[in-house]
Amino acid sequence: ELKVEQNPLFLSMQEGKNYTIYCNYSTTSDRLYWYRQDPGKSLESLFVLLSNGAVKQEGRLMASLDTKARLSTLHITAAVHDLSATYFCAVDIRGYALNFGKGTSLLVTP
Amino acid sequence: GAGVSQSPSNKVTEKGKDVELRCDPISGHTALYWYRQSLGQGLEFLIYFQGNSAPDKSGLPSDRFSAERTGGSVSTLTIQRTQQEDSAVYLCASSLFSGKETQYFGPGTRLLVL
Repeated sequence: ELKVEQNPLFLSMQEGKNYTIYCNYSTTSDRLYWYRQDPGKSLESLFVLLSNGAVKQEGRLMASLDTKARLSTLHITAAVHDLSATYFCAVDIRGYALNFGKGTSLLVTP
Repeated sequence: GAGVSQSPSNKVTEKGKDVELRCDPISGHTALYWYRQSLGQGLEFLIYFQGNSAPDKSGLPSDRFSAERTGGSVSTLTIQRTQQEDSAVYLCASSLFSGKETQYFGPGTRLLVL
């Protein structure tokens, strides 16, 4: 059974600081996704990582994938309040079904 | 363009009643997915359609759950004889094809079973 573990599950950070969210998974996969969810809203796609060593950046967020270590990271640079949300990683091993982590609730404070 | 739409946005029902949840995928997307999000279980895969066929129904929690898709477009998720543990947000997603494609999610239907 595929397990997807995120840590931390809760993160409170000050504006301007840097931090990394980790996503470990238990079964070999070369497809990993990051989504953002605002309270009461649906899931918004952030990144799709499709190969070992893949790195993608959008604004203050950068995601990477190490398939050998079964690890993806989401790095936040100089956090701002607008980044407050829940971030989910998801792994796909069947070609269609996303297996999600429990999510990391991020709060950025002044 | 228009995203994935779902209806109703909220549904309150009594235990034992049947409910139908509707999903309109992004136009041209051949793959459609249903997920469920609850506090206790997180985000769970329910079922996947490629065209009108559902190759994998393994995520459906019980035989009270069924889904269909017609015309390669609209999908309906039906829950019969609802139970309180069915209370959750039901999310629909679609993608151009299955495989390494981004799944785009709809706003969800929030179901409360009293």
